Amino acid sequence: AQSVTQPDIHITVSEGASLELRCNYSYGATPYLFWYVQSPGQGLQLLLKYFSGDTLVQGIKGFEAEFKRSQSSFNLRKPSVHWSDAAEYFCAVVSYGNKLVFGAGTILRVKS
Amino acid sequence: GAVVSQHPSRVICKSGTSVKIECRSLDFQATTMFWYRQFPKKSLMLMATSNEGSKATYEQGVEKDKFLINHASLTLSTLTVTSAHPEDSSFYICSADQGGAYNEQFFGPGTRLTVL
Repeated sequence: AQSVTQPDIHITVSEGASLELRCNYSYGATPYLFWYVQSPGQGLQLLLKYFSGDTLVQGIKGFEAEFKRSQSSFNLRKPSVHWSDAAEYFCAVVSYGNKLVFGAGTILRVKS
Repeated sequence: GAVVSQHPSRVICKSGTSVKIECRSLDFQATTMFWYRQFPKKSLMLMATSNEGSKATYEQGVEKDKFLINHASLTLSTLTVTSAHPEDSSFYICSADQGGAYNEQFFGPGTRLTVL
């Protein structure tokens, strides 16, 4: 069965510092991968997605992610974090029936 | 972009009552809608998948008689929590996709249900 692992439950970075959130997936074929962001009490907003092609994907709000098949990873990065980026981030992979399988999430805290 | 709304955003009810949550795709037709449940500080758990005009498909462990899902049109799906109990308190989120080759799911803002 498909699965997604986000090994970091919490991450704290200083404002202006770079960020990398880790995501590893388990899937037999070429995966469809997503990163979503959720602010407290809100729904999910899509940051970026990977279906095929260029393995470095650009998203909204200055985020990017790189698909590495050899490492089964799809890590999310941002060169300079803003205080407004504090939220919870979910990595997800498409499973059979177009269902999304989510990782456990990583809570990002930003220090000023 | 594609917008999905949910109503209500928050609901508080007494134990034993039923609560209906609506999920609407505002500017597109949703072939498939999904209902998720999110416990505090936890990830999203898929409850069921609904297709317009057919019965919903429930995930293992989800009580279909407790969580009634109706997908009456291409823009509306409803989740009814029947005879709600405090353990049903949670954040419920719906999503919708446009069908065809895989399209991303568009998520609603969620509904916070509190059962007293």
